[in-house]
Amino acid sequence: NAGVMQNPRHLVRRRGQEARLRCSPMKGHSHVYWYRQLPEEGLKFMVYLQKENIIDESGMPKERFSAEFPKEGPSILRIQQVVRGDSAAYFCASSPQTSYEQYFGPGTRLTVT
Amino acid sequence: KQEVTQIPAALSVPEGENLVLNCSFTDSAIYNLQWFRQDPGKGLTSLLLIQSSQREQTSGRLNASLDKSSGRSTLYIAASQPGDSATYLCAVMFGQKLVFGQGTRLTINP
Repeated sequence: NAGVMQNPRHLVRRRGQEARLRCSPMKGHSHVYWYRQLPEEGLKFMVYLQKENIIDESGMPKERFSAEFPKEGPSILRIQQVVRGDSAAYFCASSPQTSYEQYFGPGTRLTVT
Repeated sequence: KQEVTQIPAALSVPEGENLVLNCSFTDSAIYNLQWFRQDPGKGLTSLLLIQSSQREQTSGRLNASLDKSSGRSTLYIAASQPGDSATYLCAVMFGQKLVFGQGTRLTINP
């Protein structure tokens, strides 16, 4: 059973470009969570999704950030018009049910130049 | 507001010592608590998960305890080794999301 997969592992974008981060949950997991780790800071919750639904986006910045988890395919975290302050490690986690143990992917490290 | 605090922020000890890392949280209505290890520039490695109904969990040289009433957890590492050097993160599940502490950066000196 493969673990949580994230790609790309490293992503470099110029200011103003779009960044798309992908997360494939573990097999059988229908709950996906995104967390962000800014340099020298702790991990912060961003959004919680189930298939085709956003359940809790209380940690998402109000502008430029969006997330989806379609019926088929991976979950996508999309950042439009990236700025230097978006440079961070973005981690995805999945679980089989809500409030169960979350399993983390290796992360995507986004660098905005 | 649900907050998780880890003390100390950094710890340096000689190899072979036993040590304790501390985690406190502000809300006792938790589902579970998890300890992770993170190496520089790397992802998270799950070490131990304690369900809210449990008091402790053990894995090898690691033992984690949970006291919900006082809002505290400890991670005990026995006979520390240089390979244990990493940042240790405490994460508490409130509802549907994990709230992380800032971590304790541990250095084991040979």
